[in-house]
Amino acid sequence: DAKTTQPTSMDCAEGRAANLPCNHSTISGNEYVYWYRQIHSQGPQYIIHGLKNNETNEMASLIITEDRKSSTLILPHATLRDTAVYYCIVASGSEKLVFGKGTKLTVNP
Amino acid sequence: DTEVTQTPKHLVMGMTNKKSLKCEQHMGHRAMYWYKQKAKKPPELMFVYSYEKLSINESVPSRFSPECPNSSLLNLHLHALQPEDSALYLCASSQALGLAYEQYFGPGTRLTVT
Repeated sequence: DAKTTQPTSMDCAEGRAANLPCNHSTISGNEYVYWYRQIHSQGPQYIIHGLKNNETNEMASLIITEDRKSSTLILPHATLRDTAVYYCIVASGSEKLVFGKGTKLTVNP
Repeated sequence: DTEVTQTPKHLVMGMTNKKSLKCEQHMGHRAMYWYKQKAKKPPELMFVYSYEKLSINESVPSRFSPECPNSSLLNLHLHALQPEDSALYLCASSQALGLAYEQYFGPGTRLTVT
């Protein structure tokens, strides 16, 4: 079973920041937080991952709380092409990703 | 080149047929994966290969038979499938196992069993 809890769906206005929350209260010390997204009818796409510190790349920022029990993925300027299902995954290594139901993000014009 | 390719894109097969799905990557990755995704559900891991050896089999029925003939290629052989096996089959690869390497996914093969 997935170790994360995410809202089923969220809406965001184009050009605004999209903040996607994820709860992972049972995370272990050696487990990473990964974010992937899946645009309709495509394979999942890696976005970002982190262990303890906040992370940023060209796609997004990942904010992990100090107790590591929750995190937030931030898409700073959402576009229509960011409409997708976003999966938050907790895992100790890359070999066994257990996808939960994810959050369906709809970016509206 | 950060692409994982899968062929065919679509496949329709009868329950008595034998078919194969193919996955290829040229990123030098040494770990490859098969996932199954039913409609409106998240992907589920089926198999993991590391350095061409099967590392994880998630209790997948024997009618699915994976094969990794070399470090760039991953096959999934299908035989005597059931209609409930109809799904999107996704292949992925990563640099290796055991560390936080991201997985690169292919576009998938949409399989329909009639």
